[in-house]
Amino acid sequence: GAVVSQHPSRVICKSGTSVKIECRSLDFQATTMFWYRQFPKQSLMLMATSNEGSKATYEQGVEKDKFLINHASLTLSTLTVTSAHPEDSSFYICSATNQRRTGTHSYEQYFGPGTRLTVT
Amino acid sequence: LAKTTQPISMDSYEGQEVNITCSHNNIATNDYITWYQQFPSQGPRFIIQGYKTKVTNEVASLFIPADRKSSTLSLPRVSLSDTAVYYCLVGEGSSNTGKLIFGQGTTLQVKP
Repeated sequence: GAVVSQHPSRVICKSGTSVKIECRSLDFQATTMFWYRQFPKQSLMLMATSNEGSKATYEQGVEKDKFLINHASLTLSTLTVTSAHPEDSSFYICSATNQRRTGTHSYEQYFGPGTRLTVT
Repeated sequence: LAKTTQPISMDSYEGQEVNITCSHNNIATNDYITWYQQFPSQGPRFIIQGYKTKVTNEVASLFIPADRKSSTLSLPRVSLSDTAVYYCLVGEGSSNTGKLIFGQGTTLQVKP
């Protein structure tokens, strides 16, 4: 149980275009989803926290107009990288949690396999 | 959120027990300690979480001393497949978001 998928796993796009990445919780309802990005040889950086039906909360320094997050249902969140540039090339990872299931003191998040974005 | 400090890298051999220690001197009363494992080009995987003393599951043990300013992840009898990055995180127990802030992690290399 607790499987999270991401689509696509890899994407190459041209500079100036937009790319949408989907994150789905396959066998549970995710009350909260998180989006991270990870550059090579570096740690994960939290970009935003998304609760179903409400606006995402972005971390300091993350442009909300560039990284559009939609959490339309309890099983799906999307991240759209708008007007992508080569510096946006990175590994994007989502995670999901349901604190009603794991408990309010739990930090057990279920991570997706990641999406490798390359902007040329 | 409390900052954590861990060794950047560790080496071990197959069959050995590996202990990775994490310092979190500024841990707050409500904070929980969580460990994740990440393989290259994959999302992290939850290993274990604890608040105090000792927690054990089928994968690892987590030892937390009384002052909670550090914690030790213990991996029994590691194999080559345990080569990965291990992250120690401290989260605010009173938070409803369960937000995690990842530090640098410890790269564990298991050798044959």
